Amino acid sequence: VQLVESGGGVVQPGRSLRLSCAASGFTLSSYDMHWVRQAPGKGLEWVAGISYDGRNENYADSVKGRFTISRDNSKNMLYLQMNSLRREDSALYYCAREGAVAAFRYWGQGTLVTVSS
Amino acid sequence: YELTQPPSVSVSPGQTARITCSGDALPIQKAYWYQQRPGQAPLVVIYKDIERPSGIPERFSGSSSGTTVTLTISGVRAEDEGDYYCQSTDSSGTLYIFGGGTKLTVL
Repeated sequence: VQLVESGGGVVQPGRSLRLSCAASGFTLSSYDMHWVRQAPGKGLEWVAGISYDGRNENYADSVKGRFTISRDNSKNMLYLQMNSLRREDSALYYCAREGAVAAFRYWGQGTLVTVSS
Repeated sequence: YELTQPPSVSVSPGQTARITCSGDALPIQKAYWYQQRPGQAPLVVIYKDIERPSGIPERFSGSSSGTTVTLTISGVRAEDEGDYYCQSTDSSGTLYIFGGGTKLTVL
């Protein structure tokens, strides 16, 4: 199982950014997927999750209405569209795959998002 | 909904470390524990309150009582130092929650 995030960078408040997660070593269409973030020096925060078929999405209250999680199983890709970014959205964003033992069984190494003017 | 953990726990090598996590939905929702070493992604060390994934040392164990779950590390080693997070869901099972994390220091 390999998960590789990309798309992070420095963005101004109010702007948008799209994160991507390339999945390999397994069949993406069989698993629910999530985005989890970690602000510098802070704890873990679940951001959003999507069912294996893309039909169900759930969001943390802190991002609801601004972020959209999506997936393209044919391309083995997971996405996070982030709009109306705020300084408090600055964090390392991980994608995570569910497993038999836990919702967040496998993790990528993360992509860093910095919201700053 | 929140999961509450102590900010820090310190133990000497060979001693037992206990990290608690409290939350109102824990009697009905399972808890999971993640270890995060500096610069690394988290790793699940306990799932469904008491189960240990393959490859996790037997010194890691979990327990549950009412609104509190506990991660116990027996015979702590220097390599166990890091941050530990409990995780569960809200009562509906659709929103995922992490505790604030506990920094384990091996003296």
